[in-house]
Amino acid sequence: EPEVTQTPSHQVTQMGQEVILRCVPISNHLYFYWYRQILGQKVEFLVSFYNNEISEKSEIFDDQFSVERPDGSNFTLKIRSTKLEDSAMYFCASSRQGAMGQPQHFGDGTRLSIL
Amino acid sequence: AQKVTQAQTEISVVEKEDVTLDCVYETRDTTYYLFWYKQPPSGELVFLIRRNSFDEQNEISGRYSWNFQKSTSSFNFTITASQVVDSAVYFCALINSGGSNYKLTFGKGTLLTVNP
Repeated sequence: EPEVTQTPSHQVTQMGQEVILRCVPISNHLYFYWYRQILGQKVEFLVSFYNNEISEKSEIFDDQFSVERPDGSNFTLKIRSTKLEDSAMYFCASSRQGAMGQPQHFGDGTRLSIL
Repeated sequence: AQKVTQAQTEISVVEKEDVTLDCVYETRDTTYYLFWYKQPPSGELVFLIRRNSFDEQNEISGRYSWNFQKSTSSFNFTITASQVVDSAVYFCALINSGGSNYKLTFGKGTLLTVNP
């Protein structure tokens, strides 16, 4: 069964450094998402992306964050000048359509640790 | 704004017991979908079930069943004859139309531990 893949599984970065988290969505999916889960807390929406542009972003997704689909398969989340509070599990998800009933399929996540 | 509340932080049962996970949601929209996701200890999020706001028929799928009641804004999830492999955090989530591009709003999750 096709799945969303995320790399790396664990990223350790010094505070202030830039980090890029990578995702390969399911191939026939058109809508892409990033979510964040701080340890022990709920999963929070960051951003949705469709047709090569951001369609919605949360208040968490400030100027420090950016997303890109650099080619036909990858979807990336860049965090500039990381902060300690950026430490979390970051999940990429994709869905075939943007319709509400279409389930979003998640990757295994990237655990980001900021030192 | 929408909100999902999972009042049960942790549940512990013995294998073969039935267990029900509670979920209460808030939304002003009449059109929405509800989901359950499972997060095993390995960390990934696994889609389990979805239900739309127009279909209150409750269903059973294998050992899983769900009880959707609009009158009480609840979407409870039951695992019958629980197994150790069911141990995970279970998240209830909501999508509604309210101007959003269908972002998922999650509850805080319920940690289910099934003991042998």
